[in-house]
Amino acid sequence: QKEVEQDPGPLSVPEGAIVSLNCTYSNSAFQYFMWYRQYSRKGPELLMYTYSSGNKEDGRFTAQVDKSSKYISLFIRDSQPSDSATYLCAMANQAGTALIFGKGTTLSVSS
Amino acid sequence: ETGVTQSPTHLIKTRGQQVTLRCSSQSGHNTVSWYQQALGQGPQFIFQYYREEENGRGNFPPRFSGLQFPNYSSELNVNALELDDSALYLCASSLEGTPGTTEAFFGQGTRLTVV
Repeated sequence: QKEVEQDPGPLSVPEGAIVSLNCTYSNSAFQYFMWYRQYSRKGPELLMYTYSSGNKEDGRFTAQVDKSSKYISLFIRDSQPSDSATYLCAMANQAGTALIFGKGTTLSVSS
Repeated sequence: ETGVTQSPTHLIKTRGQQVTLRCSSQSGHNTVSWYQQALGQGPQFIFQYYREEENGRGNFPPRFSGLQFPNYSSELNVNALELDDSALYLCASSLEGTPGTTEAFFGQGTRLTVV
């Protein structure tokens, strides 16, 4: 079992839809959780950074962490064609030097 | 855009050759990490440099090596290139040695093709 599991999709939605992206993980030591957006042939761009459990909101984006279920989510409200990209979840523990990434979910938002 | 810059953006090498990739970290950041991203996969951690010392290493062979300079820029060197080394190589900079505890910002990557 991989440390971080993420459904690669692809996920296709119409403009204006609410998008839900998810990752599960197996390492209970993870405390830091991130979502990155990666456009084709570009580097990952940090979208959300959260510590431990709970919710964090930034504009149209909401990140949720449920450590008891080892499950994290990213919600995108009022999705736009410009949101079409690959979304990567990443995690780290207190002592670790590495970010552990999921495979990424490819999202396509059609106008 | 982040302040992390990588060079070159693309290159093509022949199997068995050696390659050097470069990264300039974001201003004020003293930690640089390198990742390999194969097509359709998430980035995989290669190693991290913190204040010019290697501070952690992933599951990569010794032919992957690196350096960090006093200005915190960094190099990734790969010897004896293999076809499977073809990937996007990403550099990430962060403020301290444990990137999970602070935000890590990525450059645009270097796409390496080994033929």
